[in-house]
Amino acid sequence: DVVMTQSPLSLPVTLGQPASISCRSSQSLVHSNGNTYLNWFQERPGQSPRRLIYQVSNRDSGVPDRFSGSGSGTDFTLKISRVEAEDVGVYYCMQGTHWPPYTFGQGTKLEIK
Amino acid sequence: EVQLVESGGASVQPGGSLRLSCAASGFTFSSGAMHWVRQAPGKGLMWVSRINGEATSITYADSVRGRFTISRDNTMNTLYLQMNSLSAEDTAIYYCVGDRGGMGGPWGQGTLVTVSS
Repeated sequence: DVVMTQSPLSLPVTLGQPASISCRSSQSLVHSNGNTYLNWFQERPGQSPRRLIYQVSNRDSGVPDRFSGSGSGTDFTLKISRVEAEDVGVYYCMQGTHWPPYTFGQGTKLEIK
Repeated sequence: EVQLVESGGASVQPGGSLRLSCAASGFTFSSGAMHWVRQAPGKGLMWVSRINGEATSITYADSVRGRFTISRDNTMNTLYLQMNSLSAEDTAIYYCVGDRGGMGGPWGQGTLVTVSS
């Protein structure tokens, strides 16, 4: 199974400042079709998770453009350009290249400093 | 409105069984794959099972294979998860999720399964 490793696991950020979360996979996430199935999810307190980013860098509908995803191969990053209060929650990366199983990172808890 | 509503979560004794349901509305349920994802108390997300639109391709996480059965009724727009031989390790919120290119949603609100004596 592909192991997804996120860092940091806790991320205190000052409002208006940038934030960055790293996600590394135990093997390359490049599919034989050339696509890379690395997604990012946000779980706000008391809400169901929702996907923010698919295939490394594509924002889902309604996701603010302060969120961006990048990376390739085994190293990926989610960046928030300017953190807002509504961004508090837990962020997960997930790979969908080598399934089953789909595997998630441990989660990164973002809080306001 | 695009929506998934889970039901069937309950408190059950170890070794018991439960069937979860997930009612879909607002989108063409039969055309896409669906997943079950769970989250144990205070823990992260774990994928449980996937079924394609025609129910011809089904996969499970190793930890539930042989005990859980995913199914769907496209005439009723409903996804199911039959869970047998439950143990404390299965205690979690269970979410049904639309695939839409990799769990793109929708996500249901979740239903809580508690396995305890």
